[in-house]
Amino acid sequence: QVQLQESGPGLVKPSQTLSLTCTVSGGSISDIDYYWTWIRQPAGKGLEWIARIYTSGRANYNPSLKSRVTISVDRSKNHLSLKLSSVTAADTATYYCARGYTYYDVETSDWFDPWGQGTLVSVSS
Amino acid sequence: QSVLTQPPSASGTPGQRVTISCSGSGSNIGSNTVNWYQQLPGTAPKLLIYKSNLRPSGVPDRFSGSKSGTSASLAISGLQSEDEADYYCATWDDSLNACVFGGGTSLTVL
Repeated sequence: QVQLQESGPGLVKPSQTLSLTCTVSGGSISDIDYYWTWIRQPAGKGLEWIARIYTSGRANYNPSLKSRVTISVDRSKNHLSLKLSSVTAADTATYYCARGYTYYDVETSDWFDPWGQGTLVSVSS
Repeated sequence: QSVLTQPPSASGTPGQRVTISCSGSGSNIGSNTVNWYQQLPGTAPKLLIYKSNLRPSGVPDRFSGSKSGTSASLAISGLQSEDEADYYCATWDDSLNACVFGGGTSLTVL
């Protein structure tokens, strides 16, 4: 049973870089059947997809965040990382990591399962 | 403004059937399957429906999904108090080359 656990500083100052880690247990981050992704959720608001990365290193980004986001995988530590630069108060949110799966047929299917429990990051001076 | 449109709220009484809609466009729902996530209060989202109408192991068959054209729906039959949660639809958008979510629907069991 794969489990994901996010970690990182709960407080980041404006203009700095937010750095988060997602540790994968019960499975390998190198499993080529899956990809790994980050999603965030401001308090009381909806979900916003941030980025995903395959074990090959290929990545996709939310166009609205792409210029500030770096996503990476560390196979030796079996963890996923997220860096978001030049943060502002608008980046205050709970950040989730999740495992993704793509199924190709007549239509493409992408879904996220499981999810980590999330980590709250506040941007404030 | 979310790419996928959901009603912000829905409600029903125990035992009732409730449906939640999710509207998109040709580049997202019209081209790809839809997933639904359930977020119980204070918890992380959980996969509820994938590939538009399939349930992961452990999800009761009271939950069902469907898709037609550029819209999708989640139906909950035999509504129970523990179904009170936020529900999100999601899919891949080929034009944005990104995953997109609906704004979420808060379900209240009266």
